[in-house]
Amino acid sequence: SYELTQPPSVSVSPGQTARITCSGDALPSQYASWYHQKPGQAPVLLIYKDSERPSGIPERFSGSSSGTTVTLTISGVQAEDEADYYCQSTDTSGDLLWVFGGGTKLTVL
Amino acid sequence: EVQLVESGGGLVQPGGSLRLSCAASGFSFSSYEMNWVRQAPGKGLEWVSYIGSSGTTIHYADSMRGRITMSRDNAKNSVYLQMNSLRAEDTAVYYCARAQTSLVVVPGAIRTTGYCDYWGQGTLVTVSS
Repeated sequence: SYELTQPPSVSVSPGQTARITCSGDALPSQYASWYHQKPGQAPVLLIYKDSERPSGIPERFSGSSSGTTVTLTISGVQAEDEADYYCQSTDTSGDLLWVFGGGTKLTVL
Repeated sequence: EVQLVESGGGLVQPGGSLRLSCAASGFSFSSYEMNWVRQAPGKGLEWVSYIGSSGTTIHYADSMRGRITMSRDNAKNSVYLQMNSLRAEDTAVYYCARAQTSLVVVPGAIRTTGYCDYWGQGTLVTVSS
């Protein structure tokens, strides 16, 4: 299965915009999803199908896609957004496999 | 309200077995696919296995293939993960998650989407002597 590559860490000041990227060769043919996870908690779905937002997720979270890279954008970052962020996609080259990126630690300065 | 509650984790010796369970409520369980995802201490998320809504389609990650069996009982709204020949590196929190997959037709292509929209709180599996 293929890999999804994320930066290990991103830092941003409150109120600024954070962008977290995720790269993978199969992303042009597979949609990506994004999750965040706070310490001791289960992951929460933020974005699916590259840019769709589930109900209850604040509008400051948005997703985009360009070629082999998808990007999670958090506008007006708040202290509560400090968490680990994971991208995820699927690999259908054989069996249906699910792939997670290595995760990005977002630090709110 | 969608709820997923895992159970069955604990301390097991290397080479031992465990059976994890995940009880679902708040949605039409038999209509949904399910995943098991694990997270080793201090590490990222790792997909473990997938089962289709009827239970006839099952896929496993290479890291655990041959040592695990995923199953479901739609009458009991539950999904299971039987784990055998456990190793120290299998130590992790194991999450069950409701999964959704579909094929999307876009101009000139068909794209696949798959995501986990609800997660349980996880059950800790510790493999140690």
